[in-house]
Amino acid sequence: GQQLNQSPQSMFIQEGEDVSMNCTSSSIFNTWLWYKQDPGEGPVLLIALYKAGELTSNGRLTAQFGITRKDSFLNISASIPSDVGIYFCAVLDLKTSYDKVIFGPGTSLSVIP
Amino acid sequence: GAVVSQHPSRVICKSGTSVKIECRSLDFQATTMFWYRQFPKKSLMLMATSNEGSKATYEQGVEKDKFLINHASLTLSTLTVTSAHPEDSSFYICSAQSGLAGSIRDEQFFGPGTRLTVL
Repeated sequence: GQQLNQSPQSMFIQEGEDVSMNCTSSSIFNTWLWYKQDPGEGPVLLIALYKAGELTSNGRLTAQFGITRKDSFLNISASIPSDVGIYFCAVLDLKTSYDKVIFGPGTSLSVIP
Repeated sequence: GAVVSQHPSRVICKSGTSVKIECRSLDFQATTMFWYRQFPKKSLMLMATSNEGSKATYEQGVEKDKFLINHASLTLSTLTVTSAHPEDSSFYICSAQSGLAGSIRDEQFFGPGTRLTVL
């Protein structure tokens, strides 16, 4: 079945450092999404990417939609303690009669003050 | 952004009982609502999709008779876990989408989740 891979699985960084994580798929998808989930909460959309090669920023976050449409990366600059959480990449599967969001396994981020 | 609420936020029940979880879109009408399940340290897995006024579409491997979904209005969907067992203990998250399915730029807004513990 369809599967997304995220790396790294987890990371521990010092406050102020930049973070980079990526997501790959064996299939082509035309919409890539990045979510953040805080403990005990639902995921919140950070960035949505709709065009191959697109580079989009949202504050300290920057994400790119790979040109092959099989990968994406998320960068966080100058990390702060509230960046702690699980970051999920996701893709939109439009083959079905409804918009199915397929989530990756997540990258757990810990920020050391 | 749009707000989606879930009730209850936590529920503990005895094995064999049924539990109903509500998902509400507070400031928009949700044509489509989705139910996900998340085990500890795992990703979200879509269980089913419901469109207002029609039967839910269940993902492969999800028992429709065990997880009853009702989307009776454009602002409310309910998930009932029937005859719950300890293995049903999980974090259940709903999301709501305002547009019709196929409108790729209609964001899904997620609820805060419901922690179900079955003893």
